[in-house]
Amino acid sequence: ETGVTQTPRHLVMGMTNKKSLKCEQHLGHNAMYWYKQSAKKPLELMFVYSLEERVENNSVPSRFSPECPNSSHLFLHLHTLQPEDSALYLCASSQDWGDSNYGYTFGSGTRLTVV
Amino acid sequence: RKEVEQDPGPFNVPEGATVAFNCTYSNSASQSFFWYRQDCRKEPKLLMSVYSSGNEDGRFTAQLNRASQYISLLIRDSKLSDSATYLCVVRSGDMRFGAGTRLTVKP
Repeated sequence: ETGVTQTPRHLVMGMTNKKSLKCEQHLGHNAMYWYKQSAKKPLELMFVYSLEERVENNSVPSRFSPECPNSSHLFLHLHTLQPEDSALYLCASSQDWGDSNYGYTFGSGTRLTVV
Repeated sequence: RKEVEQDPGPFNVPEGATVAFNCTYSNSASQSFFWYRQDCRKEPKLLMSVYSSGNEDGRFTAQLNRASQYISLLIRDSKLSDSATYLCVVRSGDMRFGAGTRLTVKP
């Protein structure tokens, strides 16, 4: 396994369902991130974890709930989503949060469709 | 004002052309700068960092003007495989992404 792995790649869920997105990084990084990418919009930062502690929550609705059980794994728990939540959800990691020298490594994303 | 602004394009150019993308950012305290490339339905991948003195990586040249809060990417001798969306990224703490500029290189 290399890099950042996200599962599932595609997810279709109803508005009353509960599902979880999983991210795993094999890079030994200390910071992990969830981003949302909607069509023709910039990536939106949702959550930041540094050393398993949440350091940033950018006014994300409570129907999105992150979990970081250890420095290699990050989850995004979803419940009672809305159709406008349909998007590509990207996980990323970096060596350290706030380290300005390096970019992020992204997973391949989960394409979520809420019906 | 958006944190990071890019011309959305699309830019449609023939193979071998030179194309330039521009980007402006609003936070003067930004510390580092990057260009990412994103292929259709794929994740963003780091293309190159942007240094104050300007830097080059093969056919790609990046420039930074801190006074004007402006970043550019120049692609020379463009290839079909350069077709993608190019994301300007600015970091001051967290990474802030532009919406991207779409490039299509045609035969």
